[in-house]
Amino acid sequence: GQNIDQPTEMTATEGAIVQINCTYQTSGFNGLFWYQQHAGEAPTFLSYNVLDGLEEKGRFSSFLSRSKGYSYLLLKELQMKDSASYLCAVRDGARAGGSYIPTFGRGTSLIVHP
Amino acid sequence: NAGVTQTPKFQVLKTGQSMTLQCAQDMNHEYMSWYRQDPGMGLRLIHYSVGAGITDQGEVPNGYNVSRSTTEDFPLRLLSAAPSQTSVYFCASSQRTGKNSPLHFGNGTRLTVT
Repeated sequence: GQNIDQPTEMTATEGAIVQINCTYQTSGFNGLFWYQQHAGEAPTFLSYNVLDGLEEKGRFSSFLSRSKGYSYLLLKELQMKDSASYLCAVRDGARAGGSYIPTFGRGTSLIVHP
Repeated sequence: NAGVTQTPKFQVLKTGQSMTLQCAQDMNHEYMSWYRQDPGMGLRLIHYSVGAGITDQGEVPNGYNVSRSTTEDFPLRLLSAAPSQTSVYFCASSQRTGKNSPLHFGNGTRLTVT
């Protein structure tokens, strides 16, 4: 099986930094994605990691440690519009179809306060 | 570029009725998939396809059928609707080439079964 764990909810203040963690268990890791989903909308792609280390994209960064089965999404200079759900998704080559289609965690609801 | 188009956006069914959720993409993506999203459960994979004529089951396939007669279209059929199928349904597509190819989601179909 494949377990992907994320905190259910986090709160932060506008202008601050927040780190959203994701832990996973796979037999054939083949990439990890982060998506953002605003209420009532479809998920949109934020970042991708397949090798260990940090990927930076403007205010958003994503980190991966394959040996620890761990990733985090770092959001800097938080804005009110960053209030959304953040979904961690993992591709597992050992699972039927898993090389192509990722499995999602339950998502972390981030609330940004003024 | 339309991307992934899902219809209808909203639907109310009575228990036992059947219907088809439509999904079409114009990006020539090989991979297509259907997810359902329920509160606190994240996105769960129903069925997926890695190319025209090829489909396979995901995590929660019972009560649903799919077909992939063309690259562009991937309809999801509910055979006999049940209240447990009340959910938001997302269709997604992605490229075959490129390990970092993310999912592109449709805008979702909000289905209520009474």
